[in-house]
Amino acid sequence: AQSVTQPDIHITVSEGASLELRCNYSYGATPYLFWYVQSPGQGLQLLLKYFSGDTLVQGIKGFEAEFKRSQSSFNLRKPSVHWSDAAEYFCADFLTGSASKIIFGSGTRLSIRP
Amino acid sequence: DAGVTQSPTHLIKTRGQQVTLRCSPKSGHDTVSWYQQALGQGPQFIFQYYEEEERQRGNFPDRFSGHQFPNYSSELNVNALLLGDSALYLCASSLGGGGAGEQFFGPGTRLTVL
Repeated sequence: AQSVTQPDIHITVSEGASLELRCNYSYGATPYLFWYVQSPGQGLQLLLKYFSGDTLVQGIKGFEAEFKRSQSSFNLRKPSVHWSDAAEYFCADFLTGSASKIIFGSGTRLSIRP
Repeated sequence: DAGVTQSPTHLIKTRGQQVTLRCSPKSGHDTVSWYQQALGQGPQFIFQYYEEEERQRGNFPDRFSGHQFPNYSSELNVNALLLGDSALYLCASSLGGGGAGEQFFGPGTRLTVL
C-alpha cells in the first residue's frame, strides 16, 4: 500500500534560519506529491505540488520542494523562515487510478525560535 | 469568491448519538471529499462525492455516510457515535471527479464525543 512518511514530528528553528522538512513516499510509478500547511484552527492550504517535469518546484510563501525519485523523497525547504511560518506541515501523495484520494503523512509541527 | 465553507464550526455530542456535518464547495467545483483528522495525525480520507454519488471510499465503517445535493454541497453523517470519532472533519472540493486536481480545504468542523 502506498504511504507517506514524515520522520520529524516536531522541529524548532530560529527566525531567519533555513528550513528543511523531510517527506518520503512509498514506491509509485508516477507520484503526485503535495505539501500543505495547516495553521491552528484553519483548514489546509496548498503550498506546492509536483506532478511531472522540473524536479525543483516553487510554491507560495517562499517555499520550494525537490523531488528525488532515487531517494523516494520530496523535501520542503525555505531559505529563511519567519515567525508566521509556525504551523503544521503535511506531505501528501495522490493515489493514481482512483478518484482524487490523497494520502497524508502524519505531519511535522514547526516552531520558530525568536 | 467564497472558498469552501463548513458548518458547524464546533459540535459536542454524546456516545450513541448521530451527527450531520455540512460542506459547501468552492464556487465552480463539483466534487467534494471528506477527511477525518484525529488530534496529532494527518487527515484520513473518508469518501468522495461526484455527480451526487459516492465514488471512492476510505477505510471507514458504514456508520459514516454522506450525500451530495444537486448544488454540489454535501453532508457527512455519522451514526452511533463513539469516543474515537472525536476529530476535526475536513471537507475539500475540487473539479471533475477523478484526477489529480488541486483540492481546496475548508476550515473543518471540530467534533467532540463525550
